Amino acid sequence: EVQLVESGGGLVQPGGSLRLSCAASGFSFSTSWMSWVRQAPGKGLEWVAYIRQTGSEKDYVDSVKGRFTISRDNAKNSLYLQMNSLRDEDTAVYYCARWAAPGFDYWGQGTLVTVSS
Amino acid sequence: DIVMTQSPDSLAVSLGERATINCKSSQSVLYNSNNKNYLAWYQQKPGQSPMLLIHWASTRESGVPDRFSGSGSGTDFTLTISSLQAEDVAVYYCQQYYSTPWTFGQGTRVEIK
Repeated sequence: EVQLVESGGGLVQPGGSLRLSCAASGFSFSTSWMSWVRQAPGKGLEWVAYIRQTGSEKDYVDSVKGRFTISRDNAKNSLYLQMNSLRDEDTAVYYCARWAAPGFDYWGQGTLVTVSS
Repeated sequence: DIVMTQSPDSLAVSLGERATINCKSSQSVLYNSNNKNYLAWYQQKPGQSPMLLIHWASTRESGVPDRFSGSGSGTDFTLTISSLQAEDVAVYYCQQYYSTPWTFGQGTRVEIK
């Protein structure tokens, strides 16, 4: 059974940092592109970042470039998102998802990040 | 960035009737070298994570009921639910993967009339 389990969300003040983790199982993590997608409360979906199999290539939506860093540890079947300089508008549920080209075929249940003073 | 615009924002359809959702991209998502449209559709039921329904604009994912179909090319796409069932109540999103940033439409909420 495929599982993606996110953790690390919570309440953080503006300007603060948070590190999200995603534990993967049930599929070949090391050969998969992985991604983070977020959803602000009551809003639509927004792709945040992707990382290729070895971590050699990454890309981000402009609004998080320079603040967020996506990484992975294939030995631990884990995906990460380091979020710095957090803003109110980063408040969202963050989903870990596998990019299967041509679509996000596996999704986690999401972890809520709330940026508020 | 490619902007994806869905219409309508919401629709209410009677059980067994057809539901049609439109998605328009601000530029073509048809890749000429392979003649494929880089467009996917997702379903998000209340309180759940999104689920991939269709990729390459018209190819259903394994296990997706055949009442769901996708069509269109270039900049204009349609998701059709041929006979709405109660379990189809959800928000539906289109997404382009022609170029990054990969972008989604704003979503269309489908309800039972």
